Amino acid sequence: QVQLVQSGAEVKKPGASVKVSCKASGYTFTSYGISWVRQAPGQGLEWMGWISAYNGNTNYAQKLQGRVTMTTDTSTSTAYMELRSLRSDDTAMYYCARDLLGDVYSSSSYFDYWGQGTLVTVSS
Amino acid sequence: QSVLTQPPSVSGAPGQRVTISCTGSSSNIGAGYDVHWYQQLPGTAPKLLIYGNSNRPSGVPDRFSGSKSGTSASLVITGLQAEDEADYYCQSYDSSLSGSVFGTGTKVTVL
Repeated sequence: QVQLVQSGAEVKKPGASVKVSCKASGYTFTSYGISWVRQAPGQGLEWMGWISAYNGNTNYAQKLQGRVTMTTDTSTSTAYMELRSLRSDDTAMYYCARDLLGDVYSSSSYFDYWGQGTLVTVSS
Repeated sequence: QSVLTQPPSVSGAPGQRVTISCTGSSSNIGAGYDVHWYQQLPGTAPKLLIYGNSNRPSGVPDRFSGSKSGTSASLVITGLQAEDEADYYCQSYDSSLSGSVFGTGTKVTVL
């Protein structure tokens, strides 16, 4: 069965960076992409970006351009999301999700399996 | 601030039908891009409910249905059940933002 297992909760100070991992199993990792979605406490979902597990192509949300980097390690079927220059409004639950888009980003993106979430708290 | 607008809440008695709207614009739903729907039960990750406007993944009950027309889409729950109490989000692509966008979310309450 498809599973996405994320790393544990993080507490960071403003200005620091955080790197969240997402280990996939139960499917051919390189046949799909991974999207990252975050949810601030009591708020809605926000798409952060997409990475192809096949060729490493990325498409980041305009709002986060320059602060976010997504990578994959095909040898371990793991995706990573690094967010830099953290602010208090980056406090959120961060989810990885399997994206049906495998190698090229397009308008057909949607997310059929989700990780359990990683809580990132930014506080001084 | 999301570009897809949903009502903050809808409610219904068990067995009733409820409809959740998702209103967009000419750069997303109105441009012909597909709409997908997710259900988020309290304290859990979202779950895909409808993809490609009206398709249900295996395992999703047929009392959930989706449609799209013009710049809007709708999710209908018929025969509302207590376990349907959750938050629901629509998702599409926006050409101005060059990426995916989610709706503002709707909380469904079963009376």
